Amino acid sequence: QVQLVQSGAEVKKPGASVKVSCKASGYTFTRYYMHWVRQAPGQGLEWMGIINPSDGTTSYAQNFQGRVTLTRDTSTSTVYMELSSLRSEDTAVYYCARLTVAGLYNWFDPWGQGTLVTVSS
Amino acid sequence: QSVVTQSPSASGTPGQRVTISCSGSTSNIGSNTINWYQQLPGTAPKLLIYTNNQRPSGVPDRFSGSKSGTSASLAISGLQSEDEADYYCAVWDDSLNGWVFGGGTKLTVL
Repeated sequence: QVQLVQSGAEVKKPGASVKVSCKASGYTFTRYYMHWVRQAPGQGLEWMGIINPSDGTTSYAQNFQGRVTLTRDTSTSTVYMELSSLRSEDTAVYYCARLTVAGLYNWFDPWGQGTLVTVSS
Repeated sequence: QSVVTQSPSASGTPGQRVTISCSGSTSNIGSNTINWYQQLPGTAPKLLIYTNNQRPSGVPDRFSGSKSGTSASLAISGLQSEDEADYYCAVWDDSLNGWVFGGGTKLTVL
């Protein structure tokens, strides 16, 4: 079955960077765009960006421009999200989610299990 | 503050019907299809409704979605205790050139 498995929790100091992985299985990796979404404690969902695993092209939400980098490794069917210049407000659970497309319509399904990133001095 | 708004909370008793609304604008809900996600406590979001009113396999027909103009609604009939969760709408925004989520609605089953 289609599955997204993310790397484990991270604790980082302010100003550092974090890199979270998302390994896909159960489908052809290069045929589906992958998104990243984060959720701060007790808060809602916030879209961060998208990567096309086929050619590596990316698009980022304005709030994260210049701080987030999405990459992929087709040999291991893994996408990565790197967030730099971390601050306490970046403490959140980070999710990868596959974009499923049917004609003109699309939606996120499935989602990874989430990775907690804690930023603390 | 999200460009797509949801009421922060909703509640109902078992067996009741509840409705959760999502309000946006012409650049998002007014011109694109909407999806709904259910997030049970401590878990990742799960697709509940896609393309305004379609249910993935495995989602009970107690859940239904609709859209009109720049608003959308999720209805849950025959409310059950296991429906207690956070519900999010999501839609592409043509002006922002990105996806936007509603702020989420916490559903409590009394």
